Amino acid sequence: QQQVKQSPQSLIVQKGGISIINCAYENTAFDYFPWYQQFPGKGPALLIAIRPDVSEKKEGRFTISFNKSAKQFSLHIMDSQPGDSATYFCAASRGARNTPLVFGKGTRLSVIA
Amino acid sequence: DVKVTQSSRYLVKRTGEKVFLECVQDMDHENMFWYRQDPGLGLRLIYFSYDVKMKEKGDIPEGYSVSREKKERFSLILESASTNQTSMYLCASSSLVGYGLEQYFGPGTRLTVT
Repeated sequence: QQQVKQSPQSLIVQKGGISIINCAYENTAFDYFPWYQQFPGKGPALLIAIRPDVSEKKEGRFTISFNKSAKQFSLHIMDSQPGDSATYFCAASRGARNTPLVFGKGTRLSVIA
Repeated sequence: DVKVTQSSRYLVKRTGEKVFLECVQDMDHENMFWYRQDPGLGLRLIYFSYDVKMKEKGDIPEGYSVSREKKERFSLILESASTNQTSMYLCASSSLVGYGLEQYFGPGTRLTVT
């Protein structure tokens, strides 16, 4: 049973465009929602994270939008650049000390010039 | 600079061999994790540990075991490697920061079982 569903599996965006990746979760106990970015040959790294008490969080060109009632959250990358080409994973957890993150299956983003 | 290191970037083993994958973190993190990453399947949790000598099964523990004798080191063991264990293996450690766990990943070990 997949607890976090991520879409699309792959995405091609023109340079300067907006990249949007969506995730949906089932467990209403989740209260921490991070996004990880992975470049080829590297391990994933934390990009941005949100708690459900806010509907949006922005860091530079990256924004998480959160819809608690729909149990959905999304990553928006504004002014997408070729350097943003990577695999993105959404995740969720209860935020407790010994509770692991549950990851989506990932989205491979390609930003073309 | 925080670091999670894995003993090998690439490893080739034969079917039936016992395989050890080592992971070391220098951040004094309590939690450590082992994942495997396969195309189209994302990151799947094999085992995790939230304290020395403690371990918990993840989503796909079959065919694997782990050992955590020291806080900084977490080992993944394939008792008898099989070809379906050919994969990228990622180790991670985490601390509870603010309101959530920030996981730091190692660079991964690409294991090929022939």
